[in-house]
Amino acid sequence: DSGVTQTPKHLITATGQRVTLRCSPRSGDLSVYWYQQSLDQGLQFLIQYYNGEERAKGNILERFSAQQFPDLHSELNLSSLELGDSALYFCASSGQREVSTDTQYFGPGTRLTVL
Amino acid sequence: LAKTTQPISMDSYEGQEVNITCSHNNIATNDYITWYQQFPSQGPRFIIQGYKTKVTNEVASLFIPADRKSSTLSLPRVSLSDTAVYYCLVGEGNLANTNAGKSTFGDGTTLTVKP
Repeated sequence: DSGVTQTPKHLITATGQRVTLRCSPRSGDLSVYWYQQSLDQGLQFLIQYYNGEERAKGNILERFSAQQFPDLHSELNLSSLELGDSALYFCASSGQREVSTDTQYFGPGTRLTVL
Repeated sequence: LAKTTQPISMDSYEGQEVNITCSHNNIATNDYITWYQQFPSQGPRFIIQGYKTKVTNEVASLFIPADRKSSTLSLPRVSLSDTAVYYCLVGEGNLANTNAGKSTFGDGTTLTVKP
């Protein structure tokens, strides 16, 4: 158990819909990362937040957005969903201090299926 | 950002030592090298991290030559349960730097351990 929790575990929805994925980081971790992993593909970095502020952006679509709240949990919002958005979405956390070796601890993931 | 290159797949037998090499020719001065293990439908799990020379923990060893342009993950006496995808990740360790979090996972090495 990494200490990172993600809800829901599974999500099935239809094209055009909007969903919200939730992540609670390890206690004390300030950074949250979101990744997308499609079937048989590698991890695609989407976005990182550090202590409530956006820190780094990867290949995140404009239809996707995220935020980190004062209690440090994070939400990833996916809108106008398309079939190709079906994937595993992972959240990771790190950084109990601002200067750190940035080891990332991953949650169990949310499996999104768009029908 | 340092791009990493790993073999796509490797086969081994139970009880053997496995060495997986990752090339990262453009590694920057502040970059750390981190290895993760991922089982199907699970989030990646931290294995080991290093900056230079050799690092050893209860799971693996990491060898980094002086020029740091490559690194080798060594798994002693593998078992069937070590069958997984192994990712080499090179990235900024200092979260105060705006490049932190942009560490990109490559395609990984699929290790198959046979009985």
